[in-house]
Amino acid sequence: NAGVTQTPKFQVLKTGQSMTLQCAQDMNHNSMYWYRQDPGMGLRLIYYSASEGTTDKGEVPNGYNVSRLNKREFSLRLESAAPSQTSVYFCASFSRTRSYGYTFGSGTRLTVV
Amino acid sequence: AQKVTQAQTEISVVEKEDVTLDCVYETRDTTYYLFWYKQPPSGELVFLIRRNSFDEQNEISGRYSWNFQKSTSSFNFTITASQVVDSAVYFCALSEDFETYGQNFVFGPGTRLSVLP
Repeated sequence: NAGVTQTPKFQVLKTGQSMTLQCAQDMNHNSMYWYRQDPGMGLRLIYYSASEGTTDKGEVPNGYNVSRLNKREFSLRLESAAPSQTSVYFCASFSRTRSYGYTFGSGTRLTVV
Repeated sequence: AQKVTQAQTEISVVEKEDVTLDCVYETRDTTYYLFWYKQPPSGELVFLIRRNSFDEQNEISGRYSWNFQKSTSSFNFTITASQVVDSAVYFCALSEDFETYGQNFVFGPGTRLSVLP
């Protein structure tokens, strides 16, 4: 099925460890996004990529890096995980030509201990 | 700056009751887009509706209906004859400029709806 695929679904890290969250979409969308979801705060934008080869900071970029590997893939890296990064992470892609706008991945639940 | 407020943090209803989820937004733009997303206990985000600021016509889709009122900057969502499967967190969202690839897409904090059998 067409959509956005995120891996892993769950992850536990120790403080200071690094990891990369993977995201891929097969809808030929130009723009891709990483959000984090925290209780009572909705979704907040971490980084986005308007097109292949470009990335920009969102509302809460500190502690994260991203790579737009190609049109399909957009990864999020935590270089030195902190407990404050415990959250649910969503990748999304966006189409201006579709009525619904965003298509979200199923999310990654990350716990930093 | 744009902002979305969902004042109801949690709502509990008994099955078959009607329930309205409130959404109030702030924007300085005359052209903008409003959305509702559903997040069931499984965690995924499911698109429900998108409305453009120049189309105030209310919409009905089965048991779901949306009331868009520019005069009060509100985009409320009503579920008629609620069912247990409607239990979820519902997010209202706003995008001021659909042309800038959605990077200014703002979500409200969400309303958790519990429908009890």
